[in-house]
Amino acid sequence: AQTVTQSQPEMSVQEAETVTLSCTYDTSESDYYLFWYKQPPSRQMILVIRQEAYKQQNATENRFSVNFQKAAKSFSLKISDSQLGDAAMYFCAYRSQALQGAQKLVFGQGTRLTINP
Amino acid sequence: ETGVTQTPRHLVMGMTNKKSLKCEQHLGHNAMYWYKQSAKKPLELMFVYSLEERVENNSVPSRFSPECPNSSHLFLHLHTLQPEDSALYLCASSQGGTSGGPPDQETQYFGPGTRLLVL
Repeated sequence: AQTVTQSQPEMSVQEAETVTLSCTYDTSESDYYLFWYKQPPSRQMILVIRQEAYKQQNATENRFSVNFQKAAKSFSLKISDSQLGDAAMYFCAYRSQALQGAQKLVFGQGTRLTINP
Repeated sequence: ETGVTQTPRHLVMGMTNKKSLKCEQHLGHNAMYWYKQSAKKPLELMFVYSLEERVENNSVPSRFSPECPNSSHLFLHLHTLQPEDSALYLCASSQGGTSGGPPDQETQYFGPGTRLLVL
């Protein structure tokens, strides 16, 4: 079974600086998707960024980018120019095999990110 | 309404009560999911529906009973719950398809959750 590990329960960063959140996963599959979701205090789970495993190019979305190392099974999230609104729990997720038209997501334990003004 | 909505947002119930959680998606998706989020634990997948058929039941106790009457609506019926069932219950939806489809097919979109407290 696939597992996702986020080894940093909490992180903090000064506003406007850069922070990297770590994620590793374990799988025997060669084709899959990886995601970072953000859960602010409102508890709404919001997609931040996704990466297709077959793509070598790292995904970017504005201030958010990933460092995808397939051989190392590592998928870190870099947040540049951190803003107060970035404060949230961040979850790394692995999309397992398609399930008769649906998808099965495996989540990590989460990293709580605090932004210091 | 857009996206995925859930009602109620907060629910307090006794162990002998029967209640239902409702989820509605306005994205035209055909797969829906229930997750449980407890403190200090990863999100746990409970149920998956694809094209209104249940395709996954992750060893969830029978006191949780899902229902998917159509592709836009998903319910979670609750009865004789235990205090340890107190958690945030999240609903999600996606556009199901075969692997290797467009990226958006691979993405689940979440509702705001129902915060449940069982006394």
